[in-house]
Amino acid sequence: EAGVTQSPTHLIKTRGQQATLRCSPISGHTSVYWYQQALGLGLQFLLWYDEGEERNRGNFPPRFSGRQFPNYSSELNVNALELEDSALYLCASSLGRFNYEQYFGPGTRLTVT
Amino acid sequence: KQEVTQIPAALSVPEGENLVLNCSFTDSAIYNLQWFRQDPGKGLTSLLLIQSSQREQTSGRLNASLDKSSGRSTLYIAASQPGDSATYLCAVRRSSQDSNYQLIWGAGTKLIIKP
Repeated sequence: EAGVTQSPTHLIKTRGQQATLRCSPISGHTSVYWYQQALGLGLQFLLWYDEGEERNRGNFPPRFSGRQFPNYSSELNVNALELEDSALYLCASSLGRFNYEQYFGPGTRLTVT
Repeated sequence: KQEVTQIPAALSVPEGENLVLNCSFTDSAIYNLQWFRQDPGKGLTSLLLIQSSQREQTSGRLNASLDKSSGRSTLYIAASQPGDSATYLCAVRRSSQDSNYQLIWGAGTKLIIKP
């Protein structure tokens, strides 16, 4: 069974540009979570999607947004990139919203120059 | 507000030693606690998950304990190997009364096992 996949592996953008990160959950999983892990900081919760709806978002500005598609894959968009957006972005999926275990993808390394 | 703390932030031990990593949390109303491993620049691998009703979980050389009343969990690694070198993260899931079901993360302990 394939695990959570993320693309691209690495992404280099310049300040002010937009970045799009993609995540495919494990087959059968309906919940997708996005986390940011900046250098030297812990994981920060970004967004949670379940059954196509945004269920919760962390303490991030509106230029961080995303969506979940009918096949439960998800996209994270970061607009007007800033240098401090440079981080490892991790996606996780779970069977559903009710306290199921989260399984993580390998992450996308975003570098903003 | 739930806060999760991991001490120490970094630990270096010789190969073969047994070691303990600590995780503490401020609110005992948790649903479960999970230990993860993260290799440099990589995603997270779930190691052990302890439900709030459990006291410990074991997997191979790993043993995780949970004491809700004191707000503590420990991850015990027996007979450490260089391949155990990684950052270990603990995360607490809030009570099932919380409809958001979010994980609250510690900052991690970076473990180096010296050959």
